[in-house]
Amino acid sequence: DADVTQTPRNRITKTGKRIMLECSQTKGHDRMYWYRQDPGLGLRLIYYSFDVKDINKGEISDGYSVSRQAQAKFSLSLESAIPNQTALYFCATSEGSGGYTFGSGTRLTVV
Amino acid sequence: QKEVEQDPGPLSVPEGAIVSLNCTYSNSAFQYFMWYRQYSRKGPELLMYTYSSGNKEDGRFTAQVDKSSKYISLFIRDSQPSDSATYLCAMSSKAAGNKLTFGGGTRVLVKP
Repeated sequence: DADVTQTPRNRITKTGKRIMLECSQTKGHDRMYWYRQDPGLGLRLIYYSFDVKDINKGEISDGYSVSRQAQAKFSLSLESAIPNQTALYFCATSEGSGGYTFGSGTRLTVV
Repeated sequence: QKEVEQDPGPLSVPEGAIVSLNCTYSNSAFQYFMWYRQYSRKGPELLMYTYSSGNKEDGRFTAQVDKSSKYISLFIRDSQPSDSATYLCAMSSKAAGNKLTFGGGTRVLVKP
């Protein structure tokens, strides 16, 4: 199994719908992150969590919410999806100052 | 201006050539520097990790950090078609909780 698993891999949804992206990790790390990737804009941090009781906004959190259900699980929700949220979404985990381990990504299209 | 600047490329080189990639940054607090490789439709994977200034070598890959110039580099020797990917630099500081700030990535194409 992959160290970081994201579901679904691809999703097409309509404007206004609520959608949840899920992430689970087997690394045993406390820190988890959600990023979105857009052409020309690189990876931008949406939310991050340093442990189960710690949730923090990143640079582009508007329109998103998260839930840290357990050390291994961190989900991202779009309460009311809009077309400019069409992007590639990545979940990642890390330990301290170490490098991140990323999932394979979720390609989300909002029509 | 972005905190971390990286030329988007694409950078096209013949097989066997040296690939030279770099990033500049503005935040002098950055102390951990990384390079990630991302293949199409995949998540980024950690390639090189360095702390503070200096060089680090791992096989065909060499990472250099010059904190005085706020400049980091990645060199790939004897490049192979399998090195064709997007390379992202990333950096962090203890003051910011070691959250990574990424460059936009450089797309590299190694032609057989």
